[in-house]
Amino acid sequence: NAGVMQNPRHLVRRRGQEARLRCSPVKGHSHVYWYRQLPEEGLKFMVYLQKENIIDESGMPKERFSAEFPKEGPSILRIQQVVRGDSAAYFCASSPLAGPRTDTQYFGPGTRLTVL
Amino acid sequence: KNEVEQSPQNLTAQEGEFITINCSYSVGISALHWLQQHPGGGIVSLFMLSSGKKKHGRLIATINIQEKHSSLHITASHPRDSAVYICAVRSNFGNEKLTFGTGTRLTIIP
Repeated sequence: NAGVMQNPRHLVRRRGQEARLRCSPVKGHSHVYWYRQLPEEGLKFMVYLQKENIIDESGMPKERFSAEFPKEGPSILRIQQVVRGDSAAYFCASSPLAGPRTDTQYFGPGTRLTVL
Repeated sequence: KNEVEQSPQNLTAQEGEFITINCSYSVGISALHWLQQHPGGGIVSLFMLSSGKKKHGRLIATINIQEKHSSLHITASHPRDSAVYICAVRSNFGNEKLTFGTGTRLTIIP
């Protein structure tokens, strides 16, 4: 069984460009979470999505950041007009559909975004 | 004060030593996770606890809900255990997000 897959693993963008990060959850999982880890800092929650719905985006910056999890295909975290402060590791995690609220989250390998 | 505090921040030990990493939290929780982040950056979920104790191989995790405290123990430590260990909690206020500690960097010397 494939685990959570993220691509690309490394992404380099110049200031002002767009960054598009993809996450394919574990097969059968319909809950996806995005986390950000800034250099030398801990992980921070960004957004929680279920298929076609954003459930909690309280950790997302109000501007330039958006996330989606369509009915078909991977979840996408999109950062428009990137700035140097967006350089970080972005992790995706997934959990199953019907599990209780205390389900384990399975983490992907992360995408390391570098903004030049 | 952070909602999740870990100690120590850094820990260096000799191979074979018994390791304890502590996590204290200040909010009501529905679950606590222990995660391992390897030097390459990947994250592995080690345990999810809501009460009591869990054991997997040389790893043991305990939680005391009344004291809002959890410990991760490693018996017979090995250099391959060198990693950052992260405690994360899910609050019981109806949302699903995890709040993370800043991690404990463990180095096991051969």
